Amino acid sequence: NAGVTQTPKFQVLKTGQSMTLQCAQDMNHNSMYWYRQDPGMGLRLIYYSASEGTTDKGEVPNGYNVSRLNKREFSLRLESAAPSQTSVYFCASTRTGGSYEQYFGPGTRLTVT
Amino acid sequence: AQSVTQLGSHVSVSEGALVLLRCNYSSSVPPYLFWYVQYPNQGLQLLLKYTTGATLVKGINGFEAEFKKSETSFHLTKPSAHMSDAAEYFCAVSDREDSNYQLIWGAGTKLIIKP
Repeated sequence: NAGVTQTPKFQVLKTGQSMTLQCAQDMNHNSMYWYRQDPGMGLRLIYYSASEGTTDKGEVPNGYNVSRLNKREFSLRLESAAPSQTSVYFCASTRTGGSYEQYFGPGTRLTVT
Repeated sequence: AQSVTQLGSHVSVSEGALVLLRCNYSSSVPPYLFWYVQYPNQGLQLLLKYTTGATLVKGINGFEAEFKKSETSFHLTKPSAHMSDAAEYFCAVSDREDSNYQLIWGAGTKLIIKP
């Protein structure tokens, strides 16, 4: 039981390049989330998927797109990376009908130069 | 809208001393309440949670938190700090009626342990 996995762990991009961050969970959770973490700013929600087939914007969605590929997988895409997107990205999931605690992946450290 | 306030971006205590990390929330209806811990270069790990019932909640690594409705607080404590407790701690709340199961996060408190 791996929980929430994320790939890659580290990535360096040049401005304007694109990439997709992958996230998968094996806990049969319905809801999945993408956050970014910047020093002194806590966690900010980028996008979430309350259930398979649905996605919604969070607090800071600009410059990102998401795909809920199936119940297990939720990917985050940067179409044209900018230095302001340098951050640590976390994927999380939660069980519908539970007490809302979220389970986190290990994170992806992204640097955009 | 819900908000969460963690008092102090950094808290420094001596090894063996009491740890107290403060968290206040804004909702008038008691939400679900959580404390998470993040060790350097790792993801967030659930430390403890309050959903219903007993207001004093025990978590992992000797931490506990008390839900005080009248003070809209959920402060985290540990009687005796250990060097391994050095980490960042996040308080989070969730509206029990939020069908999207979102968490509202505090800005985090970095706990520094002095030898």
